[in-house]
Amino acid sequence: EVQLVESGGGLVQPGGSLRLSCAASGFTFSSYAMSWVRQAPGKGLEWVSSVGGSGTTTYYADSVKGRFTISRDNSKNTLYLQMHSLRVEDTAVYYCAKYGEDFEREARPSGLFDSWGQGTLLSVSS
Amino acid sequence: DIVMTQTPLSLSVTPGQPASISCKSSQSLLHSDGKTYFYWYLQKPGQSPQLLIYEVSNRFSGVPDRFSGSGSGTDFTLKISRVEAEDVGIYYCMQAIQLITFGQGTRLEIK
Repeated sequence: EVQLVESGGGLVQPGGSLRLSCAASGFTFSSYAMSWVRQAPGKGLEWVSSVGGSGTTTYYADSVKGRFTISRDNSKNTLYLQMHSLRVEDTAVYYCAKYGEDFEREARPSGLFDSWGQGTLLSVSS
Repeated sequence: DIVMTQTPLSLSVTPGQPASISCKSSQSLLHSDGKTYFYWYLQKPGQSPQLLIYEVSNRFSGVPDRFSGSGSGTDFTLKISRVEAEDVGIYYCMQAIQLITFGQGTRLEIK
């Protein structure tokens, strides 16, 4: 059974930094692309970033480009999101999502998120 | 950026009745490989999102056949043939041909 468990959320001041983690199990982690999707309180879903199975290919939403870095450690089956220069508007539940394939290997787009974690809450406030 | 626009933003349906949600994209989602990178997700109350439909019309594993997706290019529709109580939640359309963007969401409630 696929399991995705996010951690690392918390309260941070504007301008601060934080790293989120997503521990994966139940599948061959390196064979699948992974993503972070966030949801501000009472709002809709917003895609944040994606990374291919090898970690080489990364994509970012304009709203976080230059401030957030997605990475993965395939030896630890863990996905990360390093966040810097945090803003109040970054406050959200951050979900880790598994793609149904590796867009890096398939060399084509994909939006097929077949598993999601339960989310971790990041609050940015002074 | 591709903008996804859903209508309606909310609907209230009597159990057993059909429901339909529309989603329009600001650009065609048809890729040169012949596939259309359009998806439907459902977020039930208090839960993480779950995949319903991928590439316009393919039901994901375990999704009841009362859910169906259709459309092409820029216009897409999700239909529920007979709404059940367990279908309540927020439905999101999503495109993946140019990065990823979600629609605003459509809240479905039971009358």
